[in-house]
Amino acid sequence: AQTVTQSQPEMSVQEAETVTLSCTYDTSESDYYLFWYKQPPSRQMILVIRQEAYKQQNATENRFSVNFQKAAKSFSLKISDSQLGDAAMYFCAYINSGAGSYQLTFGKGTKLSVIP
Amino acid sequence: DAGVIQSPRHEVTEMGQEVTLRCKPISGHDYLFWYRQTMMRGLELLIYFNNNVPIDDSGMPEDRFSAKMPNASFSTLKIQPSEPRDSAVYFCASSLGQGIGPNQPQHFGDGTRLSIL
Repeated sequence: AQTVTQSQPEMSVQEAETVTLSCTYDTSESDYYLFWYKQPPSRQMILVIRQEAYKQQNATENRFSVNFQKAAKSFSLKISDSQLGDAAMYFCAYINSGAGSYQLTFGKGTKLSVIP
Repeated sequence: DAGVIQSPRHEVTEMGQEVTLRCKPISGHDYLFWYRQTMMRGLELLIYFNNNVPIDDSGMPEDRFSAKMPNASFSTLKIQPSEPRDSAVYFCASSLGQGIGPNQPQHFGDGTRLSIL
């Protein structure tokens, strides 16, 4: 079974600074997808960024980028120029790309605080 | 385009009562997922449907939990009888296909916060 581990229950960052959230996963599959979801206090789950395992190039979305290390099974999220609106829970998630696999496996989350 | 719509947003009820949570997926999406979020266990998949048919309910905790999808635009998650340990936030999500495509992620509703007294 796949597992996703986020070792940092809480993180804080100064506004305008950069922060990196860690995520590791365990799988025996070679083809899969990884995601970071953001959950603000409003509870809505918002997709931040996705990464295909077969792609070596790290995904980027504006101020958000990932460092995907397939051999190490590591998938960290970097937030640059942090803003107050970035304060939220962040969840790392994994899904197999094989036929018949539709279950997103989530980590326990990292609570990010942004200090003005 | 409306997102996934869940109701109610909050539900408080007494132990032993029946609870029904509702979900309207995004139009055109063929997969629907029910998740439960707790502090202890994080986000867990309970059950998912494809074209209104339940495919995998292995995450449903007990027989007290049941889910239905009578049509493509509506699903319910029912707990009967409810217990205090069922208190959690329940999310519904929908996707077109597996939910891995660049423009086809799983879209989540705002969740229902359920409190069983």
